[in-house]
Amino acid sequence: AQSVSQHNHHVILSEAASLELGCNYSYGGTVNLFWYVQYPGQHLQLLLKYFSGDPLVKGIKGFEAEFIKSKFSFNLRKPSVQWSDTAEYFCAVNHRGAAGNKLTFGGGTRVLVKP
Amino acid sequence: DTGVSQDPRHKITKRGQNVTFRCDPISEHNRLYWYRQTLGQGPEFLTYFQNEAQLEKSRLLSDRFSAERPKGSFSTLEIQRTEQGDSAMYLCASSLVAGGNQETQYFGPGTRLLVL
Repeated sequence: AQSVSQHNHHVILSEAASLELGCNYSYGGTVNLFWYVQYPGQHLQLLLKYFSGDPLVKGIKGFEAEFIKSKFSFNLRKPSVQWSDTAEYFCAVNHRGAAGNKLTFGGGTRVLVKP
Repeated sequence: DTGVSQDPRHKITKRGQNVTFRCDPISEHNRLYWYRQTLGQGPEFLTYFQNEAQLEKSRLLSDRFSAERPKGSFSTLEIQRTEQGDSAMYLCASSLVAGGNQETQYFGPGTRLLVL
């Protein structure tokens, strides 16, 4: 069974700081990769996704993620965070060829951006 | 596009009672997923439908859980004889799959269940 690990449970940083959230998955086959974000009081929203092609993916709100196949990683980055980026971030993976595309999620990383 | 909606948003029940949640997917989305999320964890897959057919169920879905999608549109998730361990956020997601595996799931706001 595949698993997804997010290394940091909590991250606290100041506005304008750079953010990098780690995500590693265990499945050895071809995967689709996602980052979802949950702002306080809101539902899960898609931040960005990778299916194929350029391993550097641009998402909404200035976020990007890089798929490194050899490292089984899909780390999320933002060069300069804002207070409004305070949220919980979830990495998710599904593997192609499976019946259905159920997502396997990491445990989430809570990010607090201090103004 | 009104997004995925779920009802109710919150439910408090006593142990042993039955509860039913509803999910309305994005219009014309043919796949519908149910996930469960407990505090401090990421969502975990429960089951999914392709149109009205329930194609896969997780081992997390005990016999007390049943899900339906009778007309391939909205879905219901019923929990019978609730237990305190059922307390969680129940999330619904929908997607449109037209072939291939490039599928994006869109999530609803969830139903938060508290079993006393």
